[in-house]
This record gives sequence, C-alpha cells and structure tokens, in this order.
Amino acid sequence: NAGVTQTPKFRVLKTGQSMTLLCAQDMNHEYMYWYRQDPGMGLRLIHYSVGEGTTAKGEVPDGYNVSRLKKQNFLLGLESAAPSQTSVYFCASSKRGLGNQPQHFGDGTRLSIL
Amino acid sequence: GQQLNQSPQSMFIQEGEDVSMNCTSSSIFNTWLWYKQDPGEGPVLLIALYKAGELTSNGRLTAQFGITRKDSFLNISASIPSDVGIYFCAGTQGGSEKLVFGKGTKLTVNP
Repeated sequence: NAGVTQTPKFRVLKTGQSMTLLCAQDMNHEYMYWYRQDPGMGLRLIHYSVGEGTTAKGEVPDGYNVSRLKKQNFLLGLESAAPSQTSVYFCASSKRGLGNQPQHFGDGTRLSIL
Repeated sequence: GQQLNQSPQSMFIQEGEDVSMNCTSSSIFNTWLWYKQDPGEGPVLLIALYKAGELTSNGRLTAQFGITRKDSFLNISASIPSDVGIYFCAGTQGGSEKLVFGKGTKLTVNP
C-alpha cells in the first residue's frame, strides 16, 4: 500500500491512557479518513477530512478526536482509551472528487486496550 | 447508518473454480468499489464502478454495477491460491465522500 503510511503498527495501552495515531500520505491527496475494523463488522468511518484544517465526523466518532494541520498528515487521538476501542485502525486518502475517487489504505494500526 | 449486505460471508472452493459474490442495499449508491484485504494489510482496490450497468474487468476479476444502482457483484474466474483473502464491497451515496462498507466475504482456496 505505497503512499499511505501509518505509525505505530502495534500498540498496547491501559484503560485511561491517551495516544495519537499518525497517518501520512505522499500522493498530495485532499481527502483523508480514519476507519476502525472489528471482527464481523467491516470497516466503519470514525472521522474524515476534506482538506487541510478541516475535519468532520463519520459513523463512529465518539471517544476520538482528529486534526489535519498539514495536508499530508491526519492524526487520530484517543483522549482516554477504553477497552471498546480495541481494534485495527486504518487510514485512507483520496483525491478531491464527488465520491468518484477511490480511497487508498494504509496497512493499519493494531491497538489493544487492557 | 446505511448498510450494505454482502454475501456470502465465507466461501471454500477448489483451485480453478469460479467465484461469485455480491452486495446489495435498500437504497441507491452512486459508486461501487471492490477491495481485497490480505491478512495484516489494508484493503487494496480491485475494481471501481461509476455508472449503472457498468461491467469492468481486471484480469480474472469482473465486477458489475447493477442497473437499479442498489447492487453489485464480483466474479473471480479460475481461482488460484493467492486469491485467498477477504473481499469487501463499498459504495458512496449522493455527493458524499464517505464510503459505506459491506462486512466482507472471506475466500479460502484449496490447492
């Protein structure tokens, strides 16, 4: 999945801890997205951004915050981690368009909350 | 939120067999996408469909955008072991940039 890089790849947290997941893309894409993937649930959109300095809520935004200070980076924050946030997190990006530009995904961040 | 019903949930086939999976919705979608996800990796785009009735191929893969705009199918011909993985359908509605995903079809190919 060249072009979209996620860090870290794995992380274990204790309940109540905070952390930030970083997504970086080098394709000059306008749009960026954060998803979570849980067994049997497919991918669900957490937050997304249609450009630098903008963010919007997706399907499951509660407990997460995001920032898009630079076009190439999209940060996902967990202020107070909960076991229900144990999941695999994927970042994606796409060109500007009216829903007609396919999204390119990173390889994921596997997060466990104990 | 809007749901995409993807079926079957899993398939076990012999190498060389053809595979068919589909995705349906109760409402209209403007775009249908098919992704494949290998273990430990992110989804990779296989085929993107933008017009009702559109039929598009990518090697041994063929996908169609249903004429009602409420469904799509993906066919894989002459399956090989590397086809193993989870296949997701996804779509967009209206002018939204938000993708709605199906729950995936897990494909196992026996050599």
